[in-house]
Amino acid sequence: AQSVTQLGSHVSVSEGALVLLRCNYSSSVPPYLFWYVQYPNQGLQLLLKYTSAATLVKGINGFEAEFKKSETSFHLTKPSAHMSDAAEYFCAVHYTGTASKLTFGTGTRLQVTL
Amino acid sequence: DGGITQSPKYLFRKEGQNVTLSCEQNLNHDAMYWYRQDPGQGLRLIYYSQIVNDFQKGDIAEGYSVSREKKESFPLTVTSAQKNPTAFYLCASSPQGTTEAFFGQGTRLTVV
Repeated sequence: AQSVTQLGSHVSVSEGALVLLRCNYSSSVPPYLFWYVQYPNQGLQLLLKYTSAATLVKGINGFEAEFKKSETSFHLTKPSAHMSDAAEYFCAVHYTGTASKLTFGTGTRLQVTL
Repeated sequence: DGGITQSPKYLFRKEGQNVTLSCEQNLNHDAMYWYRQDPGQGLRLIYYSQIVNDFQKGDIAEGYSVSREKKESFPLTVTSAQKNPTAFYLCASSPQGTTEAFFGQGTRLTVV
């Protein structure tokens, strides 16, 4: 079955350090890809999306992600972590040719320490 | 302001009771979705609707029911057949021709 995998359910970084959250998809046909952020007891907010245009996508709050077809990956990065980045992050995919719905990864909780 | 409103934010239900979660959007989006969120499992799709008076089962539809009588509204009923209903429920919508989903703030359902 087509799926999306997020490696690492918890990631901890120091404030000011690089943030790297991993996402891999399983399809020979590049899907549409999304990253969402969720703060405690809230809904999800879109960070950025890839829809077959530029492979390096810039989003809100200084985040960006690079689509790599050869690695079937769409990892999320931020050069310098801030305390306010602590949240849960979800990668999601829509595989073209399927019904109009997203499939979500299991999420990665980002902790930022002083 | 445009957006998606879920109510109530917190809901308590006794075992054996049905309960309905409300989801309203004023974004004029065609598609609407219900997801269930449990710790460590991400979001799982319960039901979705791409047009009024039509909806499809998602991955975990058993024990749930929905209706789509109006474009703006997509209520979810958690029935007594749902064996483990305690979870965080998220409603979302998306415009026609895109799967970019916009989410409500969620309803936390607890069975007591």
